[in-house]
Amino acid sequence: DTAVSQTPKYLVTQMGNDKSIKCEQNLGHDTMYWYKQDSKKFLKIMFSYNNKELIINETVPNRFSPKSPDKAHLNLHINSLELGDSAVYFCASSQEGLAGDTQYFGPGTRLTVL
Amino acid sequence: AQSVAQPEDQVNVAEGNPLTVKCTYSVSGNPYLFWYVQYPNRGLQFLLKYITGDNLVKGSYGFEAEFNKSQTSFHLKKPSALVSDSALYFCAVRPNNAGNMLTFGGGTRLMVKP
Repeated sequence: DTAVSQTPKYLVTQMGNDKSIKCEQNLGHDTMYWYKQDSKKFLKIMFSYNNKELIINETVPNRFSPKSPDKAHLNLHINSLELGDSAVYFCASSQEGLAGDTQYFGPGTRLTVL
Repeated sequence: AQSVAQPEDQVNVAEGNPLTVKCTYSVSGNPYLFWYVQYPNRGLQFLLKYITGDNLVKGSYGFEAEFNKSQTSFHLKKPSALVSDSALYFCAVRPNNAGNMLTFGGGTRLMVKP
């Protein structure tokens, strides 16, 4: 059983389009995250979200927005896609207050903007 | 602000030999420290973490890491490397008293040769 799942696995789209990536976790965690991994494999946190608070990394453009229909889902919506948005996007989840809040990652979504 | 340094882009080791992947960190207050492994075209898998207590932490697949507060290091080790250990390894940190977003190092590629 997949703990953190993401769809789609691959996403190829044109500049200027709007797209969404979905994330679901079945771990019962209360906090979810989005990370971006660039072509050099560098990982950067984009958002942290639970039912109390959304924390946004200040370097993330406002074209990116997380949307959470419920505690088990945190979708990433991207407006007006740019070439530089091409990357692998990882969703993760953790349980706040549970010994270090270990984060568990999804398999990633490879976004290619043409 | 916290930061993580993984000084080696790549570590090469022969199968059966001990391996070390280095990590140093900077954080305000006491740290929570993590190691993750990423296999090709896969998401990050949690290996081990240091929260408090014994400085030597044992994790998955025979890996261990030693927390050294004076040297602000958290090096990953394994007594006998396997070819299947070849992957990308990430060290991550967050302070234990503020927020839950991880800061990752740049990653170290481990190549184990038969």
